[in-house]
Amino acid sequence: SQQGEEDPQALSIQEGENATMNCSYKTSINNLQWYRQNSGRGLVHLILIRSNEREKHSGRLRVTLDTSKKSSSLLITASRAADTASYFCAAWGSSNTGKLIFGQGTTLQVKP
Amino acid sequence: DTAVSQTPKYLVTQMGNDKSIKCEQNLGHDTMYWYKQDSKKFLKIMFSYNNKELIINETVPNRFSPKSPDKAHLNLHINSLELGDSAVYFCASSSRGGGRHSYEQYFGPGTRLTVT
Repeated sequence: SQQGEEDPQALSIQEGENATMNCSYKTSINNLQWYRQNSGRGLVHLILIRSNEREKHSGRLRVTLDTSKKSSSLLITASRAADTASYFCAAWGSSNTGKLIFGQGTTLQVKP
Repeated sequence: DTAVSQTPKYLVTQMGNDKSIKCEQNLGHDTMYWYKQDSKKFLKIMFSYNNKELIINETVPNRFSPKSPDKAHLNLHINSLELGDSAVYFCASSSRGGGRHSYEQYFGPGTRLTVT
């Protein structure tokens, strides 16, 4: 069954604003990852946060993880038109099945 | 150099045909995957190979048969194509060396399959 669910499904903001995307998952995880997919392209890994971490930063990206609520958020600060893409969370289960389970993604549009 | 490549990028075919998609990675990874992304962008794992050995086989019709001739290549053959097979298929790879996962996966550009 699908592990991750994302909210909102679509988000439209102006360049320079911040974008926040949320992800919820169902079972225990080893880590949670965020990927970006530009239109017509493959997914690109953005950031990974382990189950014992609460927050992680990478450039303009900030990811939080709340294992008690089984949720994560991705914040993109000072967004740019080039950030327009779909963003997916993906959970790696703690049972070590070797599977990465993806959410349905948030489509972000950043208007110049 | 392209890290994970797939061919073809587009594939249009009729119902009942058999087709193959090829994937190659030059990252030195020992684990490769096939994913299917539907029209709603839902991405679901189909298969995973580690050092040419099948380790994940999700509930996929047996019309789909993956083959890994070596750890740098993973092909997907689909028999008797159906309309519902229309989707984008992604190949990915990751490192699982020494029994430890690197977790991060590298994706190919995808193959858009349209069955008419």
